[in-house]
Amino acid sequence: EAGVTQSPTHLIKTRGQQATLRCSPISGHTSVYWYQQALGLGLQFLLWYDEGEERNRGNFPPRFSGRQFPNYSSELNVNALELEDSALYLCASSTLNRGIGQYFGPGTRLTVT
Amino acid sequence: AQTVTQSQPEMSVQEAETVTLSCTYDTSENNYYLFWYKQPPSRQMILVIRQEAYKQQNATENRFSVNFQKAAKSFSLKISDSQLGDTAMYFCAFMKHGSGGYNKLIFGAGTRLAVHP
Repeated sequence: EAGVTQSPTHLIKTRGQQATLRCSPISGHTSVYWYQQALGLGLQFLLWYDEGEERNRGNFPPRFSGRQFPNYSSELNVNALELEDSALYLCASSTLNRGIGQYFGPGTRLTVT
Repeated sequence: AQTVTQSQPEMSVQEAETVTLSCTYDTSENNYYLFWYKQPPSRQMILVIRQEAYKQQNATENRFSVNFQKAAKSFSLKISDSQLGDTAMYFCAFMKHGSGGYNKLIFGAGTRLAVHP
């Protein structure tokens, strides 16, 4: 069974640009979660999508947005990039049975210069 | 708000020895889940073990086991017969039980474990 996949592996952008990160969940998983892992700030919850809708978002500005497609894959968009957006962005997926845990992809390393 | 605390930023252990990583959490919820995740230098986060708060029995997965003390809000991870491949950052995580907006994981700051030959 294929795990969670993310693309690209690395992304380098300039301040003010937009970044788009992609995630494909494990087959059969309907929920997709995005987390930011920034140096010194730990892992922070960004967004949760389930059945195509945004269900919850963390304490991040509106320039962090995303969507979930009918095939349950997801996209995270970060507009007006700032230097502090440089981080590892992790995507995770889960089934309806949340208690089994969330399964993570390898992440996208975003560097803003 | 829920918080998760890992008081040991770094630990080291000799191969084949046993090591215990500490985790405490703060919540007013009665039903929740607790997890330990491992993040090796390759950075892929791997689920190690899970515990449901309503279950008194401590979870075990091969060489990994937990000591769940609900009243003390403590959830430690024991790694037996440590192997070089156990070298990684270990994160303790909390998740509320239920529907709605309860499905985010709240992570501790992590414990960096080094296993030495």
